[in-house]
Amino acid sequence: GAVVSQHPSWVICKSGTSVKIECRSLDFQATTMFWYRQFPKQSLMLMATSNEGSKATYEQGVEKDKFLINHASLTLSTLTVTSAHPEDSSFYICSARDTSAGYHEQYFGPGTRLTVT
Amino acid sequence: AQSVTQLGSHVSVSEGALVLLRCNYSSSVPPYLFWYVQYPNQGLQLLLKYTTGATLVKGINGFEAEFKKSETSFHLTKPSAHMSDAAEYFCAVSETGGYQKVTFGIGTKLQVIP
Repeated sequence: GAVVSQHPSWVICKSGTSVKIECRSLDFQATTMFWYRQFPKQSLMLMATSNEGSKATYEQGVEKDKFLINHASLTLSTLTVTSAHPEDSSFYICSARDTSAGYHEQYFGPGTRLTVT
Repeated sequence: AQSVTQLGSHVSVSEGALVLLRCNYSSSVPPYLFWYVQYPNQGLQLLLKYTTGATLVKGINGFEAEFKKSETSFHLTKPSAHMSDAAEYFCAVSETGGYQKVTFGIGTKLQVIP
Protein backbone atom coordinates (compact mmCIF):
# COMPACT_ATOMS: atom_id res chain seq x y z
CA GLY A 1 0.00 0.00 0.00
CA ALA A 2 0.89 3.66 -0.26
CA VAL A 3 3.34 4.85 2.36
CA VAL A 4 3.97 8.33 3.70
CA SER A 5 6.99 9.01 5.86
CA GLN A 6 7.84 11.91 8.11
CA HIS A 7 11.21 13.03 9.38
CA PRO A 8 12.09 13.48 12.11
CA SER A 9 9.71 11.42 14.21
CA TRP A 10 10.44 13.63 17.18
CA VAL A 11 12.43 16.78 17.77
CA ILE A 12 13.28 18.99 20.72
CA CYS A 13 14.35 22.54 20.04
CA LYS A 14 14.97 25.71 21.98
CA SER A 15 12.61 28.62 21.90
CA GLY A 16 13.40 31.02 19.07
CA THR A 17 14.92 28.46 16.73
CA SER A 18 13.39 27.03 13.55
CA VAL A 19 12.53 23.43 12.87
CA LYS A 20 11.90 21.73 9.53
CA ILE A 21 9.68 18.67 9.19
CA GLU A 22 9.68 16.59 6.03
CA CYS A 23 6.78 14.64 4.58
CA ARG A 24 7.47 12.18 1.78
CA SER A 25 5.27 9.93 -0.31
CA LEU A 26 7.45 6.88 -0.83
CA ASP A 27 5.75 4.95 -3.60
CA PHE A 28 3.35 7.36 -5.24
CA GLN A 29 3.16 10.91 -6.49
CA ALA A 30 1.27 13.41 -4.40
CA THR A 31 0.12 16.59 -6.06
CA THR A 32 -1.56 17.60 -2.83
CA MET A 33 -0.39 17.15 0.73
CA PHE A 34 -2.00 18.30 3.95
CA TRP A 35 -0.50 19.38 7.26
CA TYR A 36 -2.30 18.86 10.55
CA ARG A 37 -1.46 19.49 14.17
CA GLN A 38 -2.82 17.57 17.09
CA PHE A 39 -2.77 18.77 20.68
CA PRO A 40 -2.81 16.21 23.48
CA LYS A 41 -6.12 14.41 23.78
CA GLN A 42 -7.59 16.43 20.92
CA SER A 43 -8.43 15.86 17.29
CA LEU A 44 -6.43 16.75 14.22
CA MET A 45 -6.74 20.30 13.03
CA LEU A 46 -5.96 21.06 9.41
CA MET A 47 -3.29 23.74 9.14
CA ALA A 48 -2.74 24.02 5.42
CA THR A 49 -3.08 22.38 2.05
CA SER A 50 0.18 22.05 0.15
CA ASN A 51 0.22 21.88 -3.62
CA GLU A 52 3.24 20.98 -5.68
CA GLY A 53 4.67 23.99 -7.42
CA SER A 54 2.40 26.57 -5.87
CA LYS A 55 1.78 28.41 -2.62
CA ALA A 56 0.12 26.57 0.21
CA THR A 57 -3.41 27.40 1.26
CA TYR A 58 -3.62 28.07 4.98
CA GLU A 59 -6.64 27.57 7.20
CA GLN A 60 -8.07 30.50 9.05
CA GLY A 61 -6.05 31.39 12.11
CA VAL A 62 -2.84 29.69 10.96
CA GLU A 63 0.08 32.10 10.57
CA LYS A 64 1.63 31.48 7.18
CA ASP A 65 4.81 33.37 8.10
CA LYS A 66 5.30 31.15 11.11
CA PHE A 67 4.48 27.84 9.48
CA LEU A 68 6.29 27.86 6.15
CA ILE A 69 5.27 25.15 3.73
CA ASN A 70 7.18 24.15 0.65
CA HIS A 71 6.01 21.48 -1.79
CA ALA A 72 8.91 21.42 -4.20
CA SER A 73 8.36 18.01 -5.75
CA LEU A 74 5.61 15.45 -6.21
CA THR A 75 6.98 13.40 -3.33
CA LEU A 76 8.13 15.94 -0.78
CA SER A 77 6.52 18.66 1.27
CA THR A 78 8.21 20.44 4.16
CA LEU A 79 6.82 22.35 7.12
CA THR A 80 9.15 24.81 8.82
CA VAL A 81 8.15 26.16 12.20
CA THR A 82 9.95 29.48 12.45
CA SER A 83 10.93 31.12 15.71
CA ALA A 84 9.37 28.29 17.64
CA HIS A 85 7.80 28.90 21.03
CA PRO A 86 6.61 26.44 23.68
CA GLU A 87 3.01 26.87 22.52
CA ASP A 88 4.06 25.40 19.16
CA SER A 89 4.79 22.10 20.88
CA SER A 90 2.45 19.60 19.31
CA PHE A 91 2.13 16.49 17.20
CA TYR A 92 2.34 17.37 13.51
CA ILE A 93 0.93 14.93 10.96
CA CYS A 94 1.00 15.15 7.20
CA SER A 95 -1.10 13.33 4.66
CA ALA A 96 -0.74 12.89 0.94
CA ARG A 97 -3.32 12.35 -1.72
CA ASP A 98 -2.55 9.66 -4.27
CA THR A 99 -3.71 11.38 -7.41
CA SER A 100 -3.66 8.20 -9.46
CA ALA A 101 -5.88 6.28 -7.03
CA GLY A 102 -8.86 8.56 -7.12
CA TYR A 103 -9.92 11.54 -5.13
CA HIS A 104 -10.67 9.75 -1.90
CA GLU A 105 -7.33 8.11 -1.33
CA GLN A 106 -5.37 10.02 1.28
CA TYR A 107 -2.56 8.51 3.31
CA PHE A 108 -1.19 9.72 6.62
CA GLY A 109 2.34 9.90 7.86
CA PRO A 110 3.37 8.62 11.31
CA GLY A 111 3.62 12.12 12.77
CA THR A 112 6.35 14.30 14.25
CA ARG A 113 6.38 15.18 17.93
CA LEU A 114 7.76 18.70 18.39
CA THR A 115 8.76 19.91 21.84
CA VAL A 116 9.92 23.49 22.24
CA THR A 117 11.77 24.24 25.46
CA ALA B 1 -19.25 23.39 5.46
CA GLN B 2 -18.83 19.95 6.92
CA SER B 3 -18.55 18.70 10.47
CA VAL B 4 -18.34 15.49 12.45
CA THR B 5 -19.76 14.70 15.86
CA GLN B 6 -18.52 11.71 17.81
CA LEU B 7 -20.68 10.87 20.78
CA GLY B 8 -18.63 9.77 23.74
CA SER B 9 -15.00 10.75 24.09
CA HIS B 10 -14.38 7.58 26.10
CA VAL B 11 -15.96 4.18 25.62
CA SER B 12 -15.23 1.11 27.73
CA VAL B 13 -16.15 -2.41 26.73
CA SER B 14 -15.30 -5.83 28.06
CA GLU B 15 -13.12 -8.12 25.99
CA GLY B 16 -15.41 -10.10 23.70
CA ALA B 17 -18.24 -7.58 23.89
CA LEU B 18 -19.71 -5.56 21.06
CA VAL B 19 -17.92 -2.35 20.14
CA LEU B 20 -20.10 0.57 19.01
CA LEU B 21 -18.57 3.97 18.32
CA ARG B 22 -20.99 6.62 17.18
CA CYS B 23 -20.44 9.21 14.48
CA ASN B 24 -22.80 11.73 12.95
CA TYR B 25 -21.82 14.07 10.17
CA SER B 26 -23.00 17.21 8.51
CA SER B 27 -22.28 17.91 4.89
CA SER B 28 -23.90 20.01 2.21
CA VAL B 29 -23.02 17.45 -0.45
CA PRO B 30 -22.82 13.66 -0.50
CA PRO B 31 -19.80 12.95 1.66
CA TYR B 32 -16.93 10.59 1.76
CA LEU B 33 -16.72 9.13 5.26
CA PHE B 34 -13.82 7.51 7.06
CA TRP B 35 -12.84 5.85 10.29
CA TYR B 36 -9.22 6.01 11.41
CA VAL B 37 -7.45 4.44 14.36
CA GLN B 38 -4.53 6.01 16.20
CA TYR B 39 -2.26 4.28 18.66
CA PRO B 40 -0.23 6.38 21.12
CA ASN B 41 2.39 8.57 19.47
CA GLN B 42 1.60 7.19 16.04
CA GLY B 43 -0.08 8.44 12.91
CA LEU B 44 -3.48 7.49 11.64
CA GLN B 45 -4.37 4.17 10.09
CA LEU B 46 -7.40 3.88 7.86
CA LEU B 47 -9.92 1.34 9.15
CA LEU B 48 -12.52 1.76 6.46
CA LYS B 49 -14.13 4.27 4.16
CA TYR B 50 -17.40 4.95 2.43
CA THR B 51 -17.40 6.69 -0.92
CA THR B 52 -20.24 5.34 -3.03
CA GLY B 53 -22.11 2.09 -3.47
CA ALA B 54 -22.82 -0.38 -0.69
CA THR B 55 -23.72 1.39 2.52
CA LEU B 56 -22.31 -1.34 4.78
CA VAL B 57 -18.57 -1.08 4.65
CA LYS B 58 -16.19 -3.66 6.00
CA GLY B 59 -12.72 -2.69 7.10
CA ILE B 60 -9.64 -4.13 8.66
CA ASN B 61 -9.44 -5.93 12.01
CA GLY B 62 -13.08 -7.00 11.88
CA PHE B 63 -14.56 -3.50 11.96
CA GLU B 64 -17.47 -2.37 9.86
CA ALA B 65 -19.60 0.73 9.53
CA GLU B 66 -22.93 1.53 7.95
CA PHE B 67 -23.69 4.76 6.12
CA LYS B 68 -27.22 5.88 6.93
CA LYS B 69 -28.08 8.96 4.95
CA SER B 70 -31.45 9.48 6.64
CA GLU B 71 -29.76 9.56 10.04
CA THR B 72 -26.56 11.27 8.80
CA SER B 73 -24.67 8.61 10.70
CA PHE B 74 -21.66 6.37 10.14
CA HIS B 75 -21.33 4.31 13.30
CA LEU B 76 -18.40 1.91 13.72
CA THR B 77 -18.98 -1.58 15.07
CA LYS B 78 -17.10 -4.76 15.84
CA PRO B 79 -18.87 -7.86 17.14
CA SER B 80 -16.19 -8.88 19.64
CA ALA B 81 -13.64 -6.55 21.19
CA HIS B 82 -10.04 -7.59 21.50
CA MET B 83 -7.47 -6.12 23.84
CA SER B 84 -5.50 -4.88 20.84
CA ASP B 85 -8.47 -2.71 19.82
CA ALA B 86 -7.71 -0.28 22.63
CA ALA B 87 -6.84 2.96 20.84
CA GLU B 88 -8.22 6.32 19.74
CA TYR B 89 -10.73 6.26 16.91
CA PHE B 90 -11.50 9.19 14.66
CA CYS B 91 -14.45 9.61 12.36
CA ALA B 92 -13.86 11.94 9.43
CA VAL B 93 -15.72 13.46 6.53
CA SER B 94 -14.20 14.63 3.29
CA GLU B 95 -15.24 16.97 0.57
CA THR B 96 -15.89 15.15 -2.67
CA GLY B 97 -14.44 17.90 -4.81
CA GLY B 98 -11.69 20.48 -4.75
CA TYR B 99 -8.77 19.60 -2.52
CA GLN B 100 -10.94 17.18 -0.55
CA LYS B 101 -10.08 18.51 2.85
CA VAL B 102 -10.77 16.09 5.65
CA THR B 103 -12.57 17.20 8.81
CA PHE B 104 -12.08 15.03 11.86
CA GLY B 105 -14.25 14.38 14.88
CA ILE B 106 -12.82 14.85 18.36
CA GLY B 107 -12.03 11.17 18.66
CA THR B 108 -13.24 8.36 20.90
CA LYS B 109 -10.84 6.57 23.16
CA LEU B 110 -11.73 2.91 23.35
CA GLN B 111 -10.78 1.01 26.47
CA VAL B 112 -11.04 -2.77 26.48
CA ILE B 113 -11.39 -4.36 29.88
CA PRO B 114 -10.06 -7.91 30.30
